[in-house]
Amino acid sequence: DTAVSQTPKYLVTQMGNDKSIKCEQNLGHDTMYWYKQDSKKFLKIMFSYNNKELIINETVPNRFSPKSPDKAHLNLHINSLELGDSAVYFCASSQGGVLAGDLSGANVLTFGAGSRLTVL
Amino acid sequence: AQSVAQPEDQVNVAEGNPLTVKCTYSVSGNPYLFWYVQYPNRGLQFLLKYITGDNLVKGSYGFEAEFNKSQTSFHLKKPSALVSDSALYFCAVNRNTGFQKLVFGTGTRLLVSP
Repeated sequence: DTAVSQTPKYLVTQMGNDKSIKCEQNLGHDTMYWYKQDSKKFLKIMFSYNNKELIINETVPNRFSPKSPDKAHLNLHINSLELGDSAVYFCASSQGGVLAGDLSGANVLTFGAGSRLTVL
Repeated sequence: AQSVAQPEDQVNVAEGNPLTVKCTYSVSGNPYLFWYVQYPNRGLQFLLKYITGDNLVKGSYGFEAEFNKSQTSFHLKKPSALVSDSALYFCAVNRNTGFQKLVFGTGTRLLVSP
């Protein structure tokens, strides 16, 4: 059973369209993330959710809207797609707390296989 | 804010030789340090981490890393490289307070030749 699964794996679309990527984890983790990997393989965090609450929003354009219906799911919706949105998007999860001083920062992330988005 | 530098875009090594992939970090307070590996068309996989204690950390597939506080480094090493070790390696740092915000380096491609 896949621990962190993302769909679709590949997505090709036209500029201006709206698309969604879905992510589900069956690890019982309470924290989920979206990372973006650009063409140079640079990996940058976009969002982090803990128990369905937004924790981190890294100056991502408003066109990107994450939604977490429950702590096992974190979906990413992108409006008005632009050429620069072409990238591989990775979902990840961890068992991470939110209390300062705990060891949650040492928790390991489990990544999905990625969703390659190509905007034409 | 924390940051990670991986100074080498690519490391080439012959099979059977030792390998080192370099990483230096910057973070306020004590760091949590990680190495992840990415094989083609796959997500990142955890290799090893340093939280506290022994500076030499052993991980998966025979990899190890040495935490050096004075040099703010966390280099990844393996005594004898395998062709199957060829992949993209990411160093990452987190801080020990506040919400988890794992910051990755730019990655180093390791090519092991037969």
